[in-house]
Amino acid sequence: DTGVSQDPRHKITKRGQNVTFRCDPISEHNRLYWYRQTLGQGPEFLTYFQNEAQLEKSRLLSDRFSAERPKGSFSTLEIQRTEQGDSAMYLCAREGLSNTGELFFGEGSRLTVL
Amino acid sequence: TQLLEQSPQFLSIQEGENLTVYCNSSSVFSSLQWYRQEPGEGPVLLVTVVTGGEVKKLKRLTFQFGDARKDSSLHITAAQPGDTGLYLCAGRNNQGGKLIFGQGTELSVKP
Repeated sequence: DTGVSQDPRHKITKRGQNVTFRCDPISEHNRLYWYRQTLGQGPEFLTYFQNEAQLEKSRLLSDRFSAERPKGSFSTLEIQRTEQGDSAMYLCAREGLSNTGELFFGEGSRLTVL
Repeated sequence: TQLLEQSPQFLSIQEGENLTVYCNSSSVFSSLQWYRQEPGEGPVLLVTVVTGGEVKKLKRLTFQFGDARKDSSLHITAAQPGDTGLYLCAGRNNQGGKLIFGQGTELSVKP
């Protein structure tokens, strides 16, 4: 158990619809990360939070993507007007306490856009 | 832009064989991690290395961090079918920012 829960595990949607993913770390850790991963590739950084502050957002993200962490605990990632290219695994991770950047991932949310 | 290049991208071997996976960059990292991922699951942390030249062992797995902290290797001795999975290296720069991942090495160990 990595102490990170993600919901839903699987989401199938039609192109143009909005989707939202939720990430719940076991406790309020300082840093929480979102990554996107396509089949057979490494995770690609999307954004990360320190407490409720969004410190960095990837330039790869279009304006259709938004993430929040309103109270510094759980986080949501919303994708508006989904496109087929958004189909991927969306991974959330909490950073460990060792200050070496160790990440503990949830099981991911698999998005399929038809 | 920091990049981590892993090689090989795919590796299919027989049970009992040894293998080495490489992770290379032109950038210096303050720390580097190795993760293993199974289909449909998130990556799971195997090890963290922080000192140039550091060697860590985890049962049949040996991890090494390059002297200049730009590269790393993972060596598996006597591979087992249970070692099958996607192996990912990931590095963090000296500014303490985000973790950058390599593209992964897909390992298949056949009985």
